[in-house]
Amino acid sequence: EPEVTQTPSHQVTQMGQEVILRCVPISNHLYFYWYRQILGQKVEFLVSFYNNEISEKSEIFDDQFSVERPDGSNFTLKIRSTKLEDSAMYFCASRGRRYGYTFGSGTRLTVV
Amino acid sequence: SQQGEEDPQALSIQEGENATMNCSYKTSINNLQWYRQNSGRGLVHLILIRSNEREKHSGRLRVTLDTSKKSSSLLITASRAADTASYFCATDANFGNEKLTFGTGTRLTIIP
Repeated sequence: EPEVTQTPSHQVTQMGQEVILRCVPISNHLYFYWYRQILGQKVEFLVSFYNNEISEKSEIFDDQFSVERPDGSNFTLKIRSTKLEDSAMYFCASRGRRYGYTFGSGTRLTVV
Repeated sequence: SQQGEEDPQALSIQEGENATMNCSYKTSINNLQWYRQNSGRGLVHLILIRSNEREKHSGRLRVTLDTSKKSSSLLITASRAADTASYFCATDANFGNEKLTFGTGTRLTIIP
């Protein structure tokens, strides 16, 4: 069964550093998403991406965040200057024309 | 209450018993989905129910949807120790983008 792959599974970074979280969505999917989950809390929508542009973003997704699909296969989330409160599990998801979300297994980001 | 709230927050039952979790939401929806998350892991899609459906089955899972009450329930029959996990409902209200709004989750513990 096709999978959404996320790397790395765990990333530790110092406050103020830039991080890039990587995702390989399912190849024929068209819609791509990033969600995050702070430990013990609910999963929150960050951003959706379709047709090579952001289609919607949440209040969390401020100027420190950006997304890219640089080569038609990878889908990346960049945090420019990480803060302690960015520590969370980040989930990538993709969806095809027919409804059906597939989530990756997540990247646990720890900012120290 | 927030869009997508589950109750109870935590549920412990004996193996073999049935587990029922509820989800309430506030706005009109297109679909409602249930996900499982083992501790610190990724989100596993369990079942999707469309707004024009009232009940759906998948193996030991039964989901109901009452759009007049804006609520859904997930029933797991004949529970097993491996069902121990957190369960989240997620709704989408936007045609096209279909971002998901997650509930707060129910932590289910199956006692062997």
